[in-house]
Amino acid sequence: AQKITQTQPGMFVQEKEAVTLDCTYDTSDQSYGLFWYKQPSSGEMIFLIYQGSYDEQNATEGRYSLNFQKARKSANLVISASQLGDSAMYFCASVPGNTGNQFYFGTGTSLTVIP
Amino acid sequence: DVKVTQSSRYLVKRTGEKVFLECVQDMDHENMFWYRQDPGLGLRLIYFSYDVKMKEKGDIPEGYSVSREKKERFSLILESASTNQTSMYLCASRDRDRGLTDTQYFGPGTRLTVL
Repeated sequence: AQKITQTQPGMFVQEKEAVTLDCTYDTSDQSYGLFWYKQPSSGEMIFLIYQGSYDEQNATEGRYSLNFQKARKSANLVISASQLGDSAMYFCASVPGNTGNQFYFGTGTSLTVIP
Repeated sequence: DVKVTQSSRYLVKRTGEKVFLECVQDMDHENMFWYRQDPGLGLRLIYFSYDVKMKEKGDIPEGYSVSREKKERFSLILESASTNQTSMYLCASRDRDRGLTDTQYFGPGTRLTVL
């Protein structure tokens, strides 16, 4: 099994500033995938960004980037130029490469963007 | 676009009732999942299915069962609802053959209250 740890239950950030949401993972698998999701108050889970364990470059998707430090087993999400619409819960998740079936989720971080 | 629908957004049931939560996806995905989400606990996997009539227990299957008679439909059943099953239930689907990079696609969630 894989374990995902998100140590920040709640975070605040000023509008237009950057914010980093922490995620560490614990796995013995060599091959795995890491995902970040956003969940607004409406409840739907929105896929943001993916990083593969063998990817050498950090993933980026628009204002989202993933600070992947494999040796430290961390996959922090960086949101640049925060907007009010970024206020939401954010979940980090991993999937092992051997089966690709079960996703393992962290407990989430609630981000509030302050005008 | 992948679409995952769930039969109800909000549901109120009484203790002891049999409850059916239905999930339908329209992208011919082999893998389907049921999670429950509780504050501070993140998403926890109840059951998943990797093919019609196939199912695997997740981390918290007790008190739940599932049914997958057709590829597009995955049902979660609470045989005798209890108050500790009050929660948000999320269904997801995923393409089995696209490797690690493919995300899970989530439905809008069902907020179940058991009185």
